[in-house]
Amino acid sequence: NAGVTQTPKFQVLKTGQSMTLQCAQDMNHEYMSWYRQDPGMGLRLIHYSVGAGITDQGEVPNGYNVSRSTTEDFPLRLLSAAPSQTSVYFCASRGEGGLGTEAFFGQGTRLTVV
Amino acid sequence: LAKTTQPISMDSYEGQEVNITCSHNNIATNDYITWYQQFPSQGPRFIIQGYKTKVTNEVASLFIPADRKSSTLSLPRVSLSDTAVYYCLVGDAYGGSQGNLIFGKGTKLSVKP
Repeated sequence: NAGVTQTPKFQVLKTGQSMTLQCAQDMNHEYMSWYRQDPGMGLRLIHYSVGAGITDQGEVPNGYNVSRSTTEDFPLRLLSAAPSQTSVYFCASRGEGGLGTEAFFGQGTRLTVV
Repeated sequence: LAKTTQPISMDSYEGQEVNITCSHNNIATNDYITWYQQFPSQGPRFIIQGYKTKVTNEVASLFIPADRKSSTLSLPRVSLSDTAVYYCLVGDAYGGSQGNLIFGKGTKLSVKP
């Protein structure tokens, strides 16, 4: 099973550029989310989705957009990259059942904005 | 969502048992306690979760006292490969926005030979 797949694994952007981080899961999970992790810090929630067509903001949504047109895919768009967005980005998915249900994380995308 | 407090770091030696305690004084009735493990350059991985008393799986044990205001993750006979950050999370078991995983800084466990 592939689980949660993120692409690309590494990316360097110039300030002001835009890009989309891809996330796909093959477990038919309804719930998907995006996190960023800065050095030495825990993960912070950017956006999440409880099902196709439904998205909502997390703790740090500014500068990011998401959409959820299918159950499988949950792309994260950086509208105009800034050095403050240099971070490692993780996508996660889980089935219904709230926190009591195991969440699966992708391997992460390491983004550098110069 | 209940706030959690856990030590920032812990050191241990191979073969020892490690206990990491997490405080969650304002845990709600519907809340579960869940622990995740994160190795460097990897996403977090689910270890164990529980609601009350004791839960054990092939990786760890989770001890939860009757008042549920704290919990202890126990790793038996750690090895070098257990060096990681361990996160304690507390939240609603029933999904939706209340089911968001909110991570703190976790406990960085360093296992030495």
